[in-house]
Amino acid sequence: NAGVMQNPRHLVRRRGQEARLRCSPMKGHSHVYWYRQLPEEGLKFMVYLQKENIIDESGMPKERFSAEFPKEGPSILRIQQVVRGDSAAYFCASSPNNRGGENTEAFFGQGTRLTVV
Amino acid sequence: SQQGEEDPQALSIQEGENATMNCSYKTSINNLQWYRQNSGRGLVHLILIRSNEREKHSGRLRVTLDTSKKSSSLLITASRAADTASYFCATAFSGNTGKLIFGQGTTLQVKP
Repeated sequence: NAGVMQNPRHLVRRRGQEARLRCSPMKGHSHVYWYRQLPEEGLKFMVYLQKENIIDESGMPKERFSAEFPKEGPSILRIQQVVRGDSAAYFCASSPNNRGGENTEAFFGQGTRLTVV
Repeated sequence: SQQGEEDPQALSIQEGENATMNCSYKTSINNLQWYRQNSGRGLVHLILIRSNEREKHSGRLRVTLDTSKKSSSLLITASRAADTASYFCATAFSGNTGKLIFGQGTTLQVKP
């Protein structure tokens, strides 16, 4: 059972370009979370998705950021018109279920390190 | 503001010594989890303690939870150089959507 797969591992974009980050959850997991981590800081929640649904996007910036988790294929975090402040590590996590809000362990990918030049 | 706050921010010990990290939080939780992150890598889940539990063990790890003080501690006994990493507590609170709120982390260095 492969773990959470994120690609690319490293992504360099010029200011104004679009960044697309991909996350394939563990097999059998239908819950995907995206987090952002700035250097020397903890992870900040961005968005929680289930297949074809955004459940909680309270951590997403209002502009330029979007996320999806289609019926087929990986979850995508899209950042349009990137700026230097978007440079960070973006982590995806998946879990098998969320029984009435009671967490189970989340499994994290290795992250995508985005650098905006 | 952060749900979880950790201290110390950095800890340096000799191999064989014990390491204790503390985490405080602000609102009622469903459970609290500890994760480890090696430099430049993803997070590895260490242990989950539910709000109705007071102590949990896993190998050389011991986690305590005091809901009256809204705090938790992670103890690593007989530390090894390979334990060098950043350690994060993460809280999940009742009724939420499953998201985790992370603290700033404790950077642990274990000297051989």
